[in-house]
Amino acid sequence: EVQLVESGGGLVQPGGSLRLSCAASGFIFTIYWMSWVRQSPGKGLEWVASIKQDSTEKYYVDSVKGRFTISRDNTKNSLYLQMNSLRAEDTAVYYCVSQSSSNWSFDFWGQGTLVTVSS
Amino acid sequence: SYDLTQPPSVSVSPGQTASITCSGGKLGDKYTCWYQQKPGQSPVLVIYQDMKRPSGIPERFSGSNSGNTATLTISGTQTMDEADYYCQAWDSRTGVFGGGTKLTVL
Repeated sequence: EVQLVESGGGLVQPGGSLRLSCAASGFIFTIYWMSWVRQSPGKGLEWVASIKQDSTEKYYVDSVKGRFTISRDNTKNSLYLQMNSLRAEDTAVYYCVSQSSSNWSFDFWGQGTLVTVSS
Repeated sequence: SYDLTQPPSVSVSPGQTASITCSGGKLGDKYTCWYQQKPGQSPVLVIYQDMKRPSGIPERFSGSNSGNTATLTISGTQTMDEADYYCQAWDSRTGVFGGGTKLTVL
């Protein structure tokens, strides 16, 4: 059974930092691109970032470029999102998502972790 | 930036066919995916590569994509299909989601 378990969310002040983690199991992590997708309360889905299997390619939505960094550790089947200079508009549930290497569909989703940016 | 436009809501009677559209410039030149999200749950992939169904997705879900519009069709809609539906495509290595459509079955 595929499992993606996010952790690291919480309340942080504007300008602060947070690191999200995602533990993957039940599939061959090393053959998948991986992504983060977020959803603000009561709003729609927004793609945040994606990373290639070997970490040689990374892509970000414009609104987080220079502030967020996606990374992965294939030895630990883990995905990360380092978030710096957080803003109120970054408040959202962040989903860890596996991304098909052949067609880039978002195949499996974690349960999400809530990040709240507020003073 | 590339935008995908969906109707905010669609209503359908049980057993009837529901169609949800997704519009974007030359969308037919890209692959479109569709995701279903029920309240309090994570999204689930229901259509990929315009018209393919992942394992476990009922046959009543189908998709098409041509010109500037992709369409998700649910035949014989059931009450369990009531959910938010999001289309999604890639534009220059950037992921783009539509704003979502709330499907009401009544």
